[in-house]
Amino acid sequence: EAQVTQNPRYLITVTGKKLTVTCSQNMNHEYMSWYRQDPGLGLRQIYYSMNVEVTDKGDVPEGYKVSRKEKRNFPLILESPSPNQTSLYFCASSSLQGTKNIQYFGAGTRLSVL
Amino acid sequence: AQKITQTQPGMFVQEKEAVTLDCTYDTSDQSYGLFWYKQPSSGEMIFLIYQGSYDEQNATEGRYSLNFQKARKSANLVISASQLGDSAMYFCAMSPNSGGYQKVTFGIGTKLQVIP
Repeated sequence: EAQVTQNPRYLITVTGKKLTVTCSQNMNHEYMSWYRQDPGLGLRQIYYSMNVEVTDKGDVPEGYKVSRKEKRNFPLILESPSPNQTSLYFCASSSLQGTKNIQYFGAGTRLSVL
Repeated sequence: AQKITQTQPGMFVQEKEAVTLDCTYDTSDQSYGLFWYKQPSSGEMIFLIYQGSYDEQNATEGRYSLNFQKARKSANLVISASQLGDSAMYFCAMSPNSGGYQKVTFGIGTKLQVIP
């Protein structure tokens, strides 16, 4: 089954404790992205990746890191989480179909930083 | 820079009626794609429909159609014959179609509630 898998689904942590949210896709997609969703703000792109070892900042990259060492994996790293990073996070992957860039989303990770 | 505006925080529609969800956009790109996604209360994001800026016809996918008016920079989603399962958040999004495909911008969403 084609899917994007995020782990964990729920996470409660404390300020300053490094964490990683994993994302894996089995569709051989070149493109992957991380978003955060906050009430009243919609989805905002944190980082995206065009292929292995190629990443770029989205609209809200501060406080986050990513890496793309393998095509299927795109982890999101919070080196020193703060309460304002409490949010719902989505990973997405896509591959161009002509000029269509339809994204497939993971189920989301709900993060609370205390 | 890209910008998506959804001005309807919430909408109600009677079951079996049609409903239009508004989306306007702004971009400096000549070629771009517009998308609609649905997010039910369970939280997953589901792709609904795509419109390319150079597509001559409005996109349709089953009960979903996209009313694309390029000169007005609008890309409204029309849902025909609403069903209870259509109750969800709906997000409009866009991305460039020539390079920078991954730079995706979403609107803040519209919450649709279908009334029996």
